[in-house]
Amino acid sequence: GQQLNQSPQSMFIQEGEDVSMNCTSSSIFNTWLWYKQDPGEGPVLLIALYKAGELTSNGRLTAQFGITRKDSFLNISASIPSDVGIYFCAGQTSGNTGKLIFGQGTTLQVKP
Amino acid sequence: DAGVIQSPRHEVTEMGQEVTLRCKPISGHDYLFWYRQTMMRGLELLIYFNNNVPIDDSGMPEDRFSAKMPNASFSTLKIQPSEPRDSAVYFCASIWGLAYNEQFFGPGTRLTVL
Repeated sequence: GQQLNQSPQSMFIQEGEDVSMNCTSSSIFNTWLWYKQDPGEGPVLLIALYKAGELTSNGRLTAQFGITRKDSFLNISASIPSDVGIYFCAGQTSGNTGKLIFGQGTTLQVKP
Repeated sequence: DAGVIQSPRHEVTEMGQEVTLRCKPISGHDYLFWYRQTMMRGLELLIYFNNNVPIDDSGMPEDRFSAKMPNASFSTLKIQPSEPRDSAVYFCASIWGLAYNEQFFGPGTRLTVL
Protein backbone atom coordinates (compact mmCIF):
# COMPACT_ATOMS: atom_id res chain seq x y z
CA GLY A 1 0.00 0.00 0.00
CA GLN A 2 0.90 3.65 -0.08
CA GLN A 3 3.47 4.74 2.46
CA LEU A 4 5.01 7.96 3.59
CA ASN A 5 8.60 7.98 4.78
CA GLN A 6 9.07 10.68 7.37
CA SER A 7 12.46 11.68 8.70
CA PRO A 8 14.08 12.11 11.02
CA GLN A 9 12.30 9.86 13.46
CA SER A 10 13.34 12.05 16.40
CA MET A 11 15.28 15.21 17.09
CA PHE A 12 16.76 16.68 20.25
CA ILE A 13 17.78 20.29 19.78
CA GLN A 14 18.71 23.39 21.71
CA GLU A 15 16.21 26.19 22.12
CA GLY A 16 16.70 28.76 19.38
CA GLU A 17 17.87 26.29 16.76
CA ASP A 18 16.10 25.77 13.46
CA VAL A 19 14.47 22.41 12.69
CA SER A 20 13.80 20.67 9.41
CA MET A 21 11.87 17.49 8.73
CA ASN A 22 10.55 15.93 5.55
CA CYS A 23 8.31 13.33 4.04
CA THR A 24 8.68 11.39 0.83
CA SER A 25 6.35 9.09 -1.01
CA SER A 26 6.45 6.74 -3.96
CA SER A 27 3.02 8.06 -4.97
CA ILE A 28 1.96 11.45 -6.26
CA PHE A 29 -0.09 13.44 -3.77
CA ASN A 30 -2.38 16.37 -4.46
CA THR A 31 -2.50 17.51 -0.84
CA TRP A 32 0.11 17.64 1.89
CA LEU A 33 -0.79 18.42 5.47
CA TRP A 34 1.40 18.91 8.51
CA TYR A 35 0.03 18.16 11.98
CA LYS A 36 1.43 18.50 15.50
CA GLN A 37 0.41 16.21 18.34
CA ASP A 38 0.95 17.15 21.98
CA PRO A 39 1.03 14.42 24.63
CA GLY A 40 -2.43 13.12 25.42
CA GLU A 41 -4.09 15.12 22.66
CA GLY A 42 -5.16 14.65 19.07
CA PRO A 43 -3.20 15.96 16.07
CA VAL A 44 -3.72 19.63 15.29
CA LEU A 45 -3.34 20.96 11.76
CA LEU A 46 -0.41 23.35 11.29
CA ILE A 47 -0.13 23.91 7.55
CA ALA A 48 -1.97 22.68 4.44
CA LEU A 49 -0.46 22.61 0.93
CA TYR A 50 -2.39 22.10 -2.30
CA LYS A 51 -0.13 22.93 -5.22
CA ALA A 52 3.23 21.64 -6.36
CA GLY A 53 5.94 24.12 -5.44
CA GLU A 54 3.72 25.92 -2.94
CA LEU A 55 5.55 27.45 0.00
CA THR A 56 3.40 28.39 2.98
CA SER A 57 4.25 29.92 6.34
CA ASN A 58 2.45 29.95 9.67
CA GLY A 59 4.42 32.03 12.13
CA ARG A 60 7.78 30.36 12.64
CA LEU A 61 6.70 27.36 10.58
CA THR A 62 7.27 27.04 6.85
CA ALA A 63 6.28 24.11 4.67
CA GLN A 64 6.70 23.34 1.00
CA PHE A 65 4.94 21.06 -1.45
CA GLY A 66 7.63 19.40 -3.55
CA ILE A 67 7.75 20.00 -7.29
CA THR A 68 7.54 16.27 -7.99
CA ARG A 69 4.43 16.09 -5.75
CA LYS A 70 6.07 13.19 -3.95
CA ASP A 71 7.61 15.08 -1.05
CA SER A 72 7.17 17.89 1.43
CA PHE A 73 9.22 19.50 4.15
CA LEU A 74 8.48 21.44 7.31
CA ASN A 75 10.87 23.95 8.85
CA ILE A 76 10.60 25.47 12.30
CA SER A 77 12.74 28.51 12.93
CA ALA A 78 14.07 29.64 16.30
CA SER A 79 12.61 26.72 18.23
CA ILE A 80 11.08 27.25 21.67
CA PRO A 81 10.21 24.73 24.41
CA SER A 82 6.51 24.64 23.45
CA ASP A 83 7.47 23.26 20.02
CA VAL A 84 7.99 19.92 21.76
CA GLY A 85 5.70 17.23 20.37
CA ILE A 86 5.25 14.82 17.50
CA TYR A 87 4.96 16.23 14.00
CA PHE A 88 3.15 14.26 11.33
CA CYS A 89 2.95 14.71 7.62
CA ALA A 90 -0.14 13.47 5.82
CA GLY A 91 -0.90 13.21 2.16
CA GLN A 92 -3.89 12.63 -0.02
CA THR A 93 -3.78 11.18 -3.50
CA SER A 94 -5.97 12.38 -6.35
CA GLY A 95 -9.61 11.37 -6.48
CA ASN A 96 -10.69 12.95 -3.21
CA THR A 97 -11.14 9.52 -1.68
CA GLY A 98 -11.11 10.97 1.81
CA LYS A 99 -8.15 8.90 2.87
CA LEU A 100 -5.14 10.59 4.36
CA ILE A 101 -1.89 8.65 4.52
CA PHE A 102 0.15 9.58 7.60
CA GLY A 103 3.89 9.50 8.12
CA GLN A 104 5.31 7.81 11.19
CA GLY A 105 5.99 11.13 12.89
CA THR A 106 9.01 13.12 14.03
CA THR A 107 9.39 13.49 17.78
CA LEU A 108 10.89 16.86 18.65
CA GLN A 109 12.48 17.65 21.98
CA VAL A 110 13.78 21.13 22.75
CA LYS A 111 16.29 21.77 25.48
CA PRO A 112 15.86 25.16 27.14
CA ASP B 1 -17.34 25.60 18.37
CA ALA B 2 -16.45 22.87 20.88
CA GLY B 3 -14.45 20.86 18.37
CA VAL B 4 -14.66 17.09 17.98
CA ILE B 5 -15.72 15.49 21.25
CA GLN B 6 -14.78 11.96 22.23
CA SER B 7 -15.73 9.88 25.23
CA PRO B 8 -14.50 8.33 27.33
CA ARG B 9 -10.97 9.79 27.36
CA HIS B 10 -9.63 6.68 29.01
CA GLU B 11 -11.01 3.15 29.11
CA VAL B 12 -9.56 0.17 30.91
CA THR B 13 -11.28 -3.14 30.40
CA GLU B 14 -10.64 -6.83 30.58
CA MET B 15 -10.16 -9.12 27.64
CA GLY B 16 -13.45 -10.37 26.28
CA GLN B 17 -15.47 -7.35 27.35
CA GLU B 18 -17.36 -5.13 24.94
CA VAL B 19 -16.00 -1.63 24.48
CA THR B 20 -17.89 1.31 22.97
CA LEU B 21 -16.15 4.52 22.00
CA ARG B 22 -18.15 7.63 21.19
CA CYS B 23 -17.63 10.63 18.97
CA LYS B 24 -19.47 13.87 18.32
CA PRO B 25 -18.16 15.61 15.18
CA ILE B 26 -18.03 19.34 14.65
CA SER B 27 -21.49 20.63 13.84
CA GLY B 28 -22.04 20.90 10.08
CA HIS B 29 -19.25 18.51 9.15
CA ASP B 30 -20.40 15.77 6.81
CA TYR B 31 -17.41 13.43 6.94
CA LEU B 32 -16.35 11.48 10.02
CA PHE B 33 -13.23 9.34 10.35
CA TRP B 34 -12.11 6.80 12.94
CA TYR B 35 -8.37 6.22 13.42
CA ARG B 36 -6.27 4.00 15.62
CA GLN B 37 -2.80 5.05 16.81
CA THR B 38 -0.15 2.65 18.10
CA MET B 39 3.60 2.91 18.45
CA MET B 40 4.12 0.08 16.01
CA ARG B 41 1.71 1.09 13.25
CA GLY B 42 1.26 4.84 13.73
CA LEU B 43 -2.05 6.40 12.68
CA GLU B 44 -4.29 4.03 10.77
CA LEU B 45 -7.63 4.88 9.22
CA LEU B 46 -10.24 2.35 10.30
CA ILE B 47 -13.43 3.62 8.65
CA TYR B 48 -15.02 6.80 7.43
CA PHE B 49 -18.56 8.03 6.90
CA ASN B 50 -20.13 10.60 4.60
CA ASN B 51 -23.56 11.90 5.56
CA ASN B 52 -23.84 9.08 8.11
CA VAL B 53 -23.17 6.37 5.51
CA PRO B 54 -20.02 4.20 5.78
CA ILE B 55 -17.89 4.82 2.69
CA ASP B 56 -14.76 2.79 3.31
CA ASP B 57 -14.29 0.26 6.11
CA SER B 58 -11.29 -1.49 4.60
CA GLY B 59 -9.16 -0.46 7.57
CA MET B 60 -11.33 -2.20 10.14
CA PRO B 61 -9.04 -4.94 11.42
CA GLU B 62 -11.53 -7.69 12.17
CA ASP B 63 -15.18 -8.50 12.50
CA ARG B 64 -14.83 -7.75 16.19
CA PHE B 65 -14.79 -4.07 15.20
CA SER B 66 -17.95 -2.28 14.12
CA ALA B 67 -18.86 1.38 13.67
CA LYS B 68 -22.15 3.18 13.32
CA MET B 69 -23.30 6.70 12.70
CA PRO B 70 -27.02 6.90 13.52
CA ASN B 71 -27.16 10.66 12.93
CA ALA B 72 -25.00 13.60 11.90
CA SER B 73 -23.91 14.37 15.43
CA PHE B 74 -22.96 10.98 16.83
CA SER B 75 -20.86 7.95 15.97
CA THR B 76 -19.73 4.86 17.85
CA LEU B 77 -16.88 2.43 17.43
CA LYS B 78 -17.49 -0.89 19.12
CA ILE B 79 -15.09 -3.73 19.85
CA GLN B 80 -16.64 -7.02 20.87
CA PRO B 81 -14.95 -9.01 22.27
CA SER B 82 -11.93 -6.89 23.09
CA GLU B 83 -8.39 -8.30 23.11
CA PRO B 84 -5.13 -6.96 24.59
CA ARG B 85 -3.81 -6.17 21.09
CA ASP B 86 -6.66 -3.68 20.67
CA SER B 87 -4.96 -1.44 23.22
CA ALA B 88 -4.31 1.85 21.44
CA VAL B 89 -5.46 5.43 21.21
CA TYR B 90 -8.56 5.80 19.05
CA PHE B 91 -9.21 9.13 17.35
CA CYS B 92 -12.23 10.53 15.66
CA ALA B 93 -11.89 13.32 13.07
CA SER B 94 -14.35 15.30 10.98
CA ILE B 95 -14.41 17.68 8.00
CA TRP B 96 -16.87 19.44 5.74
CA GLY B 97 -16.45 18.21 2.20
CA LEU B 98 -13.34 16.64 0.71
CA ALA B 99 -12.07 19.58 -1.30
CA TYR B 100 -9.31 20.23 1.20
CA ASN B 101 -9.53 17.28 3.63
CA GLU B 102 -8.20 19.33 6.54
CA GLN B 103 -9.32 16.91 9.19
CA PHE B 104 -10.05 18.12 12.70
CA PHE B 105 -9.17 15.53 15.33
CA GLY B 106 -10.73 14.86 18.69
CA PRO B 107 -8.63 14.36 21.84
CA GLY B 108 -8.76 10.58 21.51
CA THR B 109 -9.73 7.66 23.72
CA ARG B 110 -6.89 5.71 25.28
CA LEU B 111 -8.01 2.09 25.45
CA THR B 112 -6.23 -0.47 27.58
CA VAL B 113 -7.37 -4.08 27.39
CA LEU B 114 -5.96 -6.25 30.17
